[in-house]
Parts: sequence; C-alpha cells; structure tokens
Amino acid sequence: NAGVTQTPKFRILKIGQSMTLQCAQDMNHNYMYWYRQDPGMGLKLIYYSVGAGITDKGEVPNGYNVSRSTTEDFPLRLELAAPSQTSVYFCASSYPRDTTNTEAFFGQGTRLTVV
Amino acid sequence: RKEVEQDPGPFNVPEGATVAFNCTYSNSASQSFFWYRQDCRKEPKLLMSVYSSGNEDGRFTAQLNRASQYISLLIRDSKLSDSATYLCVVNYAGGTSYGKLTFGQGTILTVHP
Repeated sequence: NAGVTQTPKFRILKIGQSMTLQCAQDMNHNYMYWYRQDPGMGLKLIYYSVGAGITDKGEVPNGYNVSRSTTEDFPLRLELAAPSQTSVYFCASSYPRDTTNTEAFFGQGTRLTVV
Repeated sequence: RKEVEQDPGPFNVPEGATVAFNCTYSNSASQSFFWYRQDCRKEPKLLMSVYSSGNEDGRFTAQLNRASQYISLLIRDSKLSDSATYLCVVNYAGGTSYGKLTFGQGTILTVHP
C-alpha cells in the first residue's frame, strides 16, 4: 500500500518557470490537500479538494492552481515561479467518515527552491 | 489573530521530565482536534486525536476545553525519541469548510540526556 506519493522529491526552478507537483493516493480518500511549510513554520493550506471535480482555496492560494479530475490525483501547478515560493510542499489525503475521524496521511514532501 | 496558535517554544527538557503544550483556536465551529508529530525534514504524522472527555495513550494525554477553545498535550516521562515538532491541528466543519485541516505553527521539543 503506497499511501500518498509525491513527485518530485526535490526541484530547483528559475524565476518565471512553471512546474507541476504531482500527488497521488491509493487509499480511495475523497479529501486531498496541498500545504506549504516554510523553515521553522507550521503548515499553511494552499488548496484542498473534497472530491473529484471540486476544489477550494486555502489560506495561501495565490500563485498556485489545482485540479482534481480523479479521486486518486491532485496536482499542484506553479505558473510563474517566484523566490517566495521556495518551500517544502506536502500533499495529504483523508477520508472523514464523520467529524471525529479526519486523520490526514501525508506524502514525503517536495522541496522546491526558486532561484 | 491566527486560527490556531501554539506555545512558541522551543522546549528543552531532560529525560524523564513532564512537559505540556498548549494550543488555542479561534473558530468555535471547529469540530475535531488532533496532535501531529513532525520529525526533522519529514512529513507530519498523527500522534493522537483529542476528544472532549480527554484521552490518554501511554505517556501522552490530550485534553480539550471547548468553552475556552483550548487544547493541550501532556507528555510524561520524556524520552530522547520524543524530540520533534508537535503540531496542533483543528478541523473546521462549517458550511463549505468541512474537512479543512488547519495547523498551528508547531512547538519544538528537545529532550536531552
């Protein structure tokens, strides 16, 4: 059982380049999330999705786009990379059967540097 | 005001010590609460859920006070392996925000010999 798989693990981008961070889960979870974590800080929610075809903005969505065409995949797109987007990006998924059971499972993260 | 706020830390304690972390949340519509643990340069992992009646898992005890919008985590008999960042997490379940997990900034714990 692979859980949540993120690719790539590391990436260096030049200012203005674009890229897609891939995230896939094989647990049939309907909820998926993208977070970023800056050094010494907590996780900030970028976008999340409650099911295929449905996405919503989190706390810091500017400069990013997402899509959710299938239950399994939730890619994150950076269109015009900026140094402020240098961060560690985590994808997560959960299956909230009820309001008391929303454990999120995380991928191993993508370390992105924009120079 | 941040949606979820934690003790700034860092906490530096000797092995065997008892240490407590606090967390406050601003949205009274919050439905469920968790503590996650994050090791250096790793992904967060669930430590324990927090229930209204309080709950215990070995050396770890979590408490929730809905009236004060406050969550705590107590670690007894600290081990070197407890050194990590502890993240307070709140799930909002109002309107279209159902299932949106919001993280605190984390509290760093270092347990030394």
